[in-house]
Amino acid sequence: QVQLQESGPGLVKPSETLSLTCTVSGGSISSDAYYWTWIRQHPGKGLEWIGYIYNSGSTYYNSSLNSRLSISRDTSANQFSLKLTSVTAADTAVYYCARGSIYCNRLTCYYYAMDVWGRGATVTVSS
Amino acid sequence: EIVLTQSPGTLSLSPGERASFSCRASQSLGTSSLAWYQQKPGQAPRLLIYDASSRATGIPDRFSGSGSGTDFTLTITRLEPEDFAVYYCQQCGILPTFGQGTRVEIK
Repeated sequence: QVQLQESGPGLVKPSETLSLTCTVSGGSISSDAYYWTWIRQHPGKGLEWIGYIYNSGSTYYNSSLNSRLSISRDTSANQFSLKLTSVTAADTAVYYCARGSIYCNRLTCYYYAMDVWGRGATVTVSS
Repeated sequence: EIVLTQSPGTLSLSPGERASFSCRASQSLGTSSLAWYQQKPGQAPRLLIYDASSRATGIPDRFSGSGSGTDFTLTITRLEPEDFAVYYCQQCGILPTFGQGTRVEIK
């Protein structure tokens, strides 16, 4: 059974870099069948997709965060990570990592639902 | 960006009643998949429905999804106490987006 677990500092100072890691157990992040994604939820609000990475190492980011965001992976550790620079109070949220299914042919990729989620990591941006 | 609009924002119902709510896309999803998630307070979202109408593993058959193109519906035939939660739709394209959620509360 695949499980995901977020880890990282719960408190980040304004203008600094938010760094989170998602550790995957029970499955390989190198699998062609999945993409690995980050989603966040501001207090009392809905879900916001942040970005994802998939097997080839390709990444896609939410355009509203693109200039500050980096998602990477460490296949040897079976982890993927999020870095968000120059944070402000508006980045205070619960951050989730999740797995989604993907199918790629020569022409394009098809993305499917996120079926496994981590429990979430609360990150507060405050001095 | 495809915008998903869920309605109503809140649904007040009693256990045993039928719940039905909508997710409308700003443009046809075409080949993109639509999913529904349930979220309870303090918990991560849980996948209920994928590909608009297929139930995820372990999801009771009182949950059903329908629709295509721009209009999608999630129906819960008989509300159980554990079904009172927030429900989100999500389009699973290359740049995914979520609806703003529908809260199902106890009347």
